[in-house]
Amino acid sequence: KAGVTQTPRYLIKTRGQQVTLSCSPISGHRSVSWYQQTPGQGLQFLFEYFSETQRNKGNFPGRFSGRQFSNSRSEMNVSTLELGDSALYLCASSLRSGQLNTEAFFGQGTRLTVV
Amino acid sequence: DAKTTQPNSMESNEEEPVHLPCNHSTISGTDYIHWYRQLPSQGPEYVIHGLTSNVNNRMASLAIAEDRKSSTLILHRATLRDAAVYYCIHRTGANNLFFGTGTRLTVIP
Repeated sequence: KAGVTQTPRYLIKTRGQQVTLSCSPISGHRSVSWYQQTPGQGLQFLFEYFSETQRNKGNFPGRFSGRQFSNSRSEMNVSTLELGDSALYLCASSLRSGQLNTEAFFGQGTRLTVV
Repeated sequence: DAKTTQPNSMESNEEEPVHLPCNHSTISGTDYIHWYRQLPSQGPEYVIHGLTSNVNNRMASLAIAEDRKSSTLILHRATLRDAAVYYCIHRTGANNLFFGTGTRLTVIP
């Protein structure tokens, strides 16, 4: 079956702009989580959506937001981009939310560069 | 945040077994231990998970200490394709994964 698909793979934006990233989870998976990966901070959790509701949120400013659609596809949005937002943004899909004994499947990520 | 401690880097010769250690002294009784790895230019990939008993799958084995405060990921025969950063995570009630700094495994041909 198809894996987690993230689009676009690469993106270059200017400071102050906003950006929307997309994630299509594995068919049947209803939980989608987003992570930011930078060389300095490593992998950090942004938020999780399950059944179109945000279930869990990491420690990021309100400029970072997301949503989930009825088909479980998710988007994350970053407004007023800063240079420090340059990172690899990863999406992970899971069958359900809060199940500790199941694995998450990650996409290849979207590499965002803010100039 | 659920914290784990891993060595920053390890090396192994190709075809040799590799033992990657992890300390998770704050683990609670219901937290699972998960291992993921990240190959260059890829998203993290699930490797294995366990609760109390040792676990085996096609990729690796997971040995969990009796007090559950540490675990060891075992790759039975390292290949060049196993070169990656390995993350040990203890998964708590929230659905997010807390990734530490991981162990960068170098496999020497």
